[in-house]
Amino acid sequence: GAGVSQSPRYKVAKRGQDVALRCDPISGHVSLFWYQQALGQGPEFLTYFQNEAQLDKSGLPSDRFFAERPEGSVSTLKIQRTQQEDSAVYLCASSLTPEGGYEQYFGPGTRLTVT
Amino acid sequence: GNSVTQMEGPVTLSEEAFLTINCTYTATGYPSLFWYVQYPGEGLQLLLKATKADDKGSNKGFEATYRKETTSFHLEKGSVQVSDSAVYFCARPGRAGGFKTIFGAGTRLFVKA
Repeated sequence: GAGVSQSPRYKVAKRGQDVALRCDPISGHVSLFWYQQALGQGPEFLTYFQNEAQLDKSGLPSDRFFAERPEGSVSTLKIQRTQQEDSAVYLCASSLTPEGGYEQYFGPGTRLTVT
Repeated sequence: GNSVTQMEGPVTLSEEAFLTINCTYTATGYPSLFWYVQYPGEGLQLLLKATKADDKGSNKGFEATYRKETTSFHLEKGSVQVSDSAVYFCARPGRAGGFKTIFGAGTRLFVKA
């Protein structure tokens, strides 16, 4: 079946613009994660959904970042008033079970460049 | 705190050479440990995992043994191929019962023909 998909794959935004990044997880996966990956670094956790409930948003770097998953499937990460430091690859991952020790399936990421 | 530290890259090897990528972790208790791989232009994918101390995870010729005495989970392969060129990430859950995964910084591997 299809894996995790993300769109757009690339996004260039001018500083101050709002952006919305979409994630389509694997059908039936309960858990959905967003990560931020800076160049040359490992992914850094942003937020976690179990179905439609956002159970952990401790990694969101500021109140400009907002994520939702209203029907427990597709998720959107929104960044308001983008800043240059927001430039990174944003990764979405899904997992069949809620437990943190199980395999996560990653999408290809959205590369955001803020100019 | 809880963290994962892996050796800096890039690592450059010739085909059929032996590979070791070091990974150590800090934790209370014995969390599951993972290696993920990111091939060029693709998303991360799970390579192998170990769920308890002394377990050995293995896949595609890669192995890693969960060693609680040295808090390590080093990745090894006896004979690398050009197709193994990728970035490798060591990872662990953030805390028992939690949801986040903590990743190391990644080690880029180049394999020359």
